[in-house]
Amino acid sequence: DQQVKQNSPSLSVQEGRISILNCDYTNSMFDYFLWYKKYPAEGPTFLISISSIKDKNEDGRFTVFLNKSAKHLSLHIVPSQPGDSAVYFCAASEGRNYKLSFGAGTTVTVRA
Amino acid sequence: DTEVTQTPKHLVMGMTNKKSLKCEQHMGHRAMYWYKQKAKKPPELMFVYSYEKLSINESVPSRFSPECPNSSLLNLHLHALQPEDSALYLCASSQDPSRPNIQYFGAGTRLSVL
Repeated sequence: DQQVKQNSPSLSVQEGRISILNCDYTNSMFDYFLWYKKYPAEGPTFLISISSIKDKNEDGRFTVFLNKSAKHLSLHIVPSQPGDSAVYFCAASEGRNYKLSFGAGTTVTVRA
Repeated sequence: DTEVTQTPKHLVMGMTNKKSLKCEQHMGHRAMYWYKQKAKKPPELMFVYSYEKLSINESVPSRFSPECPNSSLLNLHLHALQPEDSALYLCASSQDPSRPNIQYFGAGTRLSVL
């Protein structure tokens, strides 16, 4: 049973514009959320995280928004750059449970 | 430094072979993980070591045998694998097993079982 869902398998955006990636979850006990970026033949690279006590976290061009009542989070990338073309995974964990539950990923393509 | 190093990068093995994957981190992290990732799928957790002790085994077949010789090293011993075990094997580590925190991943070992 997939507890973290990324319903958009792909996203194409023009360079300089905003990329918005969405993620939904079903487990209300999740309290820590992360976004990872993955290039082909490489491991996932940590991008940004957010605790359930916050609704927004910003780091440079990346901002994550959390809506607990909707069980929804999103990642905004502004402005999008060609190097942002990759697969983005949303992940969540629950309390002291070490296990990260990953979404299926969204492939982002930034067009020049 | 958030580096997790995995060797080898690529491995081809027959179904009767015995091989090992290695993972190393020098960040002082006390939790280490093995994941398996198939093409176009998210990583799937296999094992978790906390303070060098196996704390989670996600019902992984016994042909996969993890080992944590010390706090910096993690091995995955492979024996009698099946072709469907071909995948990218990822190692990760995190600072403190007692609270949620960032897992840092290595580049992975691409395994092909013939």
